Amino acid sequence: NAGVTQTPKFQVLKTGQSMTLQCAQDMNHEYMSWYRQDPGMGLRLIHYSVGAGITDQGEVPNGYNVSRSTTEDFPLRLLSAAPSQTSVYFCASSHGLSWETQYFGPGTRLLVL
Amino acid sequence: AQKVTQAQTEISVVEKEDVTLDCVYETRDTTYYLFWYKQPPSGELVFLIRRNSFDEQNEISGRYSWNFQKSTSSFNFTITASQVVDSAVYFCALSEGGSEKLVFGKGTKLTVNP
Repeated sequence: NAGVTQTPKFQVLKTGQSMTLQCAQDMNHEYMSWYRQDPGMGLRLIHYSVGAGITDQGEVPNGYNVSRSTTEDFPLRLLSAAPSQTSVYFCASSHGLSWETQYFGPGTRLLVL
Repeated sequence: AQKVTQAQTEISVVEKEDVTLDCVYETRDTTYYLFWYKQPPSGELVFLIRRNSFDEQNEISGRYSWNFQKSTSSFNFTITASQVVDSAVYFCALSEGGSEKLVFGKGTKLTVNP
């Protein structure tokens, strides 16, 4: 099993550009989520999904869109990137819901200029 | 609302010292789950432990031990005889039983010097 994979590993964007961060898992996990990590802020939940076709907002959803068309994939879209979205993004998945052990991807480092 | 506080932003110790990382949580639920994750300098997040609110037994795994005290809403993590490889950021996290969200503390950066 590859576990949770994220692409790209690193990305530089200009303000206003759009992009999609990819996340995939091969463990047949129902629950998937996106976090951003900023210095001194810990990990903050952006969006999550409890199954295909179901998504909901976390703590910091503004500026991000998600969809979950398959169990395996949970892409995160930035429609118009802003410097405030410079961060490290982690995708995670688990069986069941958020109280189960989360398996994290390796992260995507995003720089918005 | 669920909340996790890790008051220690950074800790620096010398190898072989014991060190305790504090975690204080807030929740209104009687059913909840607590976690510790490690983030080494390479950046990945490594799961260390998961504990539910009905199990207050302390846990020991090698040099690592966890002290869960519901009376003080704390879930502290102790590393005995620390090693340089323990240098990392450690996160405590909480999920209420009826919640779909996992909430993290801001993390404690541990530096173990040789």
